[in-house]
Amino acid sequence: QKEVEQDPGPLSVPEGAIVSLNCTYSNSAFQYFMWYRQYSRKGPELLMYTYSSGNKEDGRFTAQVDKSSKYISLFIRDSQPSDSATYLCAMRPLTGTASKLTFGTGTRLQVTL
Amino acid sequence: NAGVTQTPKFRVLKTGQSMTLLCAQDMNHEYMYWYRQDPGMGLRLIHYSVGEGTTAKGEVPDGYNVSRLKKQNFLLGLESAAPSQTSVYFCASSYSTGEQYFGPGTRLTVT
Repeated sequence: QKEVEQDPGPLSVPEGAIVSLNCTYSNSAFQYFMWYRQYSRKGPELLMYTYSSGNKEDGRFTAQVDKSSKYISLFIRDSQPSDSATYLCAMRPLTGTASKLTFGTGTRLQVTL
Repeated sequence: NAGVTQTPKFRVLKTGQSMTLLCAQDMNHEYMYWYRQDPGMGLRLIHYSVGEGTTAKGEVPDGYNVSRLKKQNFLLGLESAAPSQTSVYFCASSYSTGEQYFGPGTRLTVT
């Protein structure tokens, strides 16, 4: 079993919809949680960065962490065609060598007109 | 401020050939990483460095070597390329806080 599980999709939604992307994890030591967006044939781009539990909002994006359930989510409001990309979750413990991250395999999102 | 850059963007090698991928960052980050990304496998860590002159093995280090002679540069070498090394290679860098910033990638095909 992988430490971080992420549904690969693809997830197809109409423009304007609310999108929910999720990851589950098994390592209770994970304390830092990140979401990356990766456009086709490009490098991953850091989107959201949160510590421990709770919510963090940035424009149309909200990151949510539920450590009791070992479950993190990324919500995208008013989705746009430009949000079409693969979304990767990543996480790491509070302490550890070189801040190494454990990544999910990514969820492909397609926002249609 | 260019962030993380990678050279070359594309490369085709024959089995047994060697090559070096160059990563450069201008953010004064201490930590640097090399990943490979394959369909269905996600990002896998090859090697990483916590500072100038230091390197360490990641999850899939076999067939690769690295060097970090300068803080801003991290080189990934393939001494004898194999078809299994066909992949997209990403370099990343970070402060100790852990947010990693990625380069645009190098697409490598080994025939």
